[in-house]
Amino acid sequence: SQQGEEDPQALSIQEGENATMNCSYKTSINNLQWYRQNSGRGLVHLILIRSNEREKHSGRLRVTLDTSKKSSSLLITASRAADTASYFCATDRHNAGNMLTFGGGTRLMVKP
Amino acid sequence: DADVTQTPRNRITKTGKRIMLECSQTKGHDRMYWYRQDPGLGLRLIYYSFDVKDINKGEISDGYSVSRQAQAKFSLSLESAIPNQTALYFCATSDSGGTGDTQYFGPGTRLTVL
Repeated sequence: SQQGEEDPQALSIQEGENATMNCSYKTSINNLQWYRQNSGRGLVHLILIRSNEREKHSGRLRVTLDTSKKSSSLLITASRAADTASYFCATDRHNAGNMLTFGGGTRLMVKP
Repeated sequence: DADVTQTPRNRITKTGKRIMLECSQTKGHDRMYWYRQDPGLGLRLIYYSFDVKDINKGEISDGYSVSRQAQAKFSLSLESAIPNQTALYFCATSDSGGTGDTQYFGPGTRLTVL
């Protein structure tokens, strides 16, 4: 079973709008990561947030983490057509070494 | 040049055939992983290796085997391929030192079993 579940499964927005994707997970974590995947390609790491952090920024990306609700959100501001991709959250669970458990992903389409 | 490479990139084979997918990395990482991705889904861990001679089963290891020939090489074998092993396969690496929590992915191998 998957540790992380993304919501929504698909999101379509216009260029310039903000995109928000959510991730929920089930067990305690060391950290939560977001990855991006362009169609049929390998995943690329975007950002990592540790369990003792609540918010993190990287360029146009903003990630929040609420460990009490076991949830995270990824916000992409001022989206561009090039942001079109699938976005996955992955959790690094307690006592699971460096193994990541991935959610099913959110497919984001940004229309020019 | 890509840090994590996979060969072949695409493979079509028949039920019952033995298939080997190879992964090489130049990142100097000690940890390597094999995942499969089915259409519209996330990645599921097949096997992982934290260093040479260390092999561990992941979530879905049945029907697969692996070999860590060197720190830089990790191969995945399907001893007798079956159609439900049709998927996109990814190799990944991580470093137990510095950026240990981040994984770096290869470009993937698209495998079709007829």
